Amino acid sequence: SQQGEEDPQALSIQEGENATMNCSYKTSINNLQWYRQNSGRGLVHLILIRSNEREKHSGRLRVTLDTSKKSSSLLITASRAADTASYFCATSNDYKLSFGAGTTVTVRA
Amino acid sequence: DGGITQSPKYLFRKEGQNVTLSCEQNLNHDAMYWYRQDPGQGLRLIYYSQIVNDFQKGDIAEGYSVSREKKESFPLTVTSAQKNPTAFYLCASSIAGLVRAEAFFGQGTRLTVV
Repeated sequence: SQQGEEDPQALSIQEGENATMNCSYKTSINNLQWYRQNSGRGLVHLILIRSNEREKHSGRLRVTLDTSKKSSSLLITASRAADTASYFCATSNDYKLSFGAGTTVTVRA
Repeated sequence: DGGITQSPKYLFRKEGQNVTLSCEQNLNHDAMYWYRQDPGQGLRLIYYSQIVNDFQKGDIAEGYSVSREKKESFPLTVTSAQKNPTAFYLCASSIAGLVRAEAFFGQGTRLTVV
């Protein structure tokens, strides 16, 4: 069963704009992670936020976590054409990572 | 270069055949995972292994089998019992447990039934 669910399913933005996607999950977690997948490739880890953290930054990425609402958001600032990809949230509980269906982001030049 | 290698990149299977997908890592990770990805459904966990000679079923293990005889290797066999095997298969590894660590993924194997 999938733990996380991303919203929206798809997002199309202009280069330079910000992209925001959300993730909701159902059970308690150790941490929440965001991954990126370019078409037909493997996943690449972007950022990990622990259950006792509320916000984390990495370059142009900003992640928030609200454990009371069981939700997280990923913000990509000043988007570039190279940011076009699918983005997945994954929740960690014990020894498993559970993924959502992902948000497909298209950045138009 | 440290990493995780899946082979082959593309695989074609005839009805009723078993096929084995290879996954090798040189990251010295204890944990390894197999996921299946179908369009629009995200990743679903097939099997995972936390240590050599031990593995656990994931959410969709039926029709699949694995072995973990070496730390570096976690091959996945798609058996004839898997009725809809056409999918993109991803292998991943991590240090033991995922409380503080991320998973590293291979580039995937695309399996097609012909």
